[in-house]
Amino acid sequence: EAQVTQNPRYLITVTGKKLTVTCSQNMNHEYMSWYRQDPGLGLRQIYYSMNVEVTDKGDVPEGYKVSRKEKRNFPLILESPSPNQTSLYFCASSLAGSSGNTIYFGEGSWLTVV
Amino acid sequence: AQSVTQPDIHITVSEGASLELRCNYSYGATPYLFWYVQSPGQGLQLLLKYFSGDTLVQGIKGFEAEFKRSQSSFNLRKPSVHWSDAAEYFCAVGARNAGNMLTFGGGTRLMVKP
Repeated sequence: EAQVTQNPRYLITVTGKKLTVTCSQNMNHEYMSWYRQDPGLGLRQIYYSMNVEVTDKGDVPEGYKVSRKEKRNFPLILESPSPNQTSLYFCASSLAGSSGNTIYFGEGSWLTVV
Repeated sequence: AQSVTQPDIHITVSEGASLELRCNYSYGATPYLFWYVQSPGQGLQLLLKYFSGDTLVQGIKGFEAEFKRSQSSFNLRKPSVHWSDAAEYFCAVGARNAGNMLTFGGGTRLMVKP
């Protein structure tokens, strides 16, 4: 079954404590990305990756890092989380090359920073 | 750069009534257009998409959307709403020939009255 898997699904953490949200896809997709969803703002792209070792900033990259060492994995790293990073995070993947390609989303990760 | 506006943050309809969710976009040419639905606690599911051709697009769950170039709109409709349609709905646009990035609207939360 085609899947994008995120972990953890729910997390409460404290300001400044580094955390990583993992994302894995089983569809051999080149393109992966991270979004955050906030009320009234929809989904905003944080970072994306067109292939292994190729990453780029989206609309709201401040405070986040990513890496793409393997094709299937695209972890999101918060080096020093702050309360304004409390949000719902989605990982997504698709074939590369066109926004017309079907995008598959993970089920989301609820992150609360206190 | 493209942008998407969903003017209605919340909409409440009675079960069995018709539904129209509005979506307006800004883009220099004809973009790819999408509607996604997010049920509580779930990820995003693609309802329908428009690439070219017939401007009336049929999707899953009885939804349809109409692309109107003159109005830069892509409104989502359903003739008879079911209680299970209560969810948040997102309109998104993708630029043609410019990679995979989607731009999402702020979302419309639909509530269904019995």
